[in-house]
Amino acid sequence: ETGVTQSPTHLIKTRGQQVTLRCSSQSGHNTVSWYQQALGQGPQFIFQYYREEENGRGNFPPRFSGLQFPNYSSELNVNALELDDSALYLCASSRDGRSPLHFGNGTRLTVT
Amino acid sequence: QQQVKQSPQSLIVQKGGISIINCAYENTAFDYFPWYQQFPGKGPALLIAIRPDVSEKKEGRFTISFNKSAKQFSLHIMDSQPGDSATYFCAAMSTGANSKLTFGKGITLSVRP
Repeated sequence: ETGVTQSPTHLIKTRGQQVTLRCSSQSGHNTVSWYQQALGQGPQFIFQYYREEENGRGNFPPRFSGLQFPNYSSELNVNALELDDSALYLCASSRDGRSPLHFGNGTRLTVT
Repeated sequence: QQQVKQSPQSLIVQKGGISIINCAYENTAFDYFPWYQQFPGKGPALLIAIRPDVSEKKEGRFTISFNKSAKQFSLHIMDSQPGDSATYFCAAMSTGANSKLTFGKGITLSVRP
């Protein structure tokens, strides 16, 4: 059984740029969530996608957006990058909206 | 407002000892309480989880104790090993809504040989 995979593993961007992060969910999982983990902090919920529709959003501005594709893979897009966006971005998938979440190893984004 | 609070902030335990990490929550709608373990450079890995219809759950060396009236739950690691050295996060979720996990800030556990 393939776990959650994320790409790229590391990324360096400049303030004001845009970035796209990708996630492949675990086999058999139809729900994908994205979390932001700042250094030394717990992950913070960004949003969740279920069957290609956004199904819940945390306290993040609209410049954070996402997509889920028919194969349940997902993208996180962040526009107008700010220095505070530097963090580990985690993708998690679950069998449905109420099952345990399984996380990938994340994408480390650095904004300079 | 931090809805899930962990204590202590860090923990050092001798090999073979018992590690105890506590967590308190505020939202009474939470009905699923997992613990995650995270190693440097890795994503959080689900360790053990409990629902409020039971007061204790044990899986190998890991035990969750749950106190619904006090809105607290704790993780006990028996016979702690150096390989258990990691960051541990408690989390909580209301499964009636979407599967949004609210995490604590995490604690760093160091198990000394």
